[in-house]
Amino acid sequence: DSGVTQTPKHLITATGQRVTLRCSPRSGDLSVYWYQQSLDQGLQFLIQYYNGEERAKGNILERFSAQQFPDLHSELNLSSLELGDSALYFCASSFQDGSYEQYFGPGTRLTVT
Amino acid sequence: AQKVTQAQTEISVVEKEDVTLDCVYETRDTTYYLFWYKQPPSGELVFLIRRNSFDEQNEISGRYSWNFQKSTSSFNFTITASQVVDSAVYFCALITSGTYKYIFGTGTRLKVLA
Repeated sequence: DSGVTQTPKHLITATGQRVTLRCSPRSGDLSVYWYQQSLDQGLQFLIQYYNGEERAKGNILERFSAQQFPDLHSELNLSSLELGDSALYFCASSFQDGSYEQYFGPGTRLTVT
Repeated sequence: AQKVTQAQTEISVVEKEDVTLDCVYETRDTTYYLFWYKQPPSGELVFLIRRNSFDEQNEISGRYSWNFQKSTSSFNFTITASQVVDSAVYFCALITSGTYKYIFGTGTRLKVLA
């Protein structure tokens, strides 16, 4: 158990809808990273937050947004969902602003029908 | 550009065979970290090992061993006497100092048959 929690574990929704994925980092960690694992793109970095501020962006679609709240939990919002957004979404956390030592949560499996 | 290549998409072995999973990486940075993760059917990412670019010592942990060679930009993973429970997808990954975002390989699916 990495200490990173993600909810929900599974999510099934229809095209065009909007969903929110939640991540709680390990106690004391200030950075949160989001990754997407899809069949065609593999595991890819989406975005990183540190202490509430966006720090790095990867291949994140404009339909996707994220934020990190004062209590350090983070939410990834996915809107206008398409079939291709079906994927496993991982959150990771670290203490520093950018660290090789990231701890991964169990993931949220999103299915868009 | 930074890249991780796992050329083996899928490997099948019979239990008790040894198996090596290949990983080749590309980076211009001199400080970087290499990782192996295991993803069992349940989906979570299980951390196996981290190596920094200044430590080329090979490592052994039980039935697992890793061979890091900077000269060939490779970080290969060997499972000795494989077991059915080793069946999973294995990912090699790279982080360079300054970016701190994982670059994952495409993974190698290992099937260990009883």
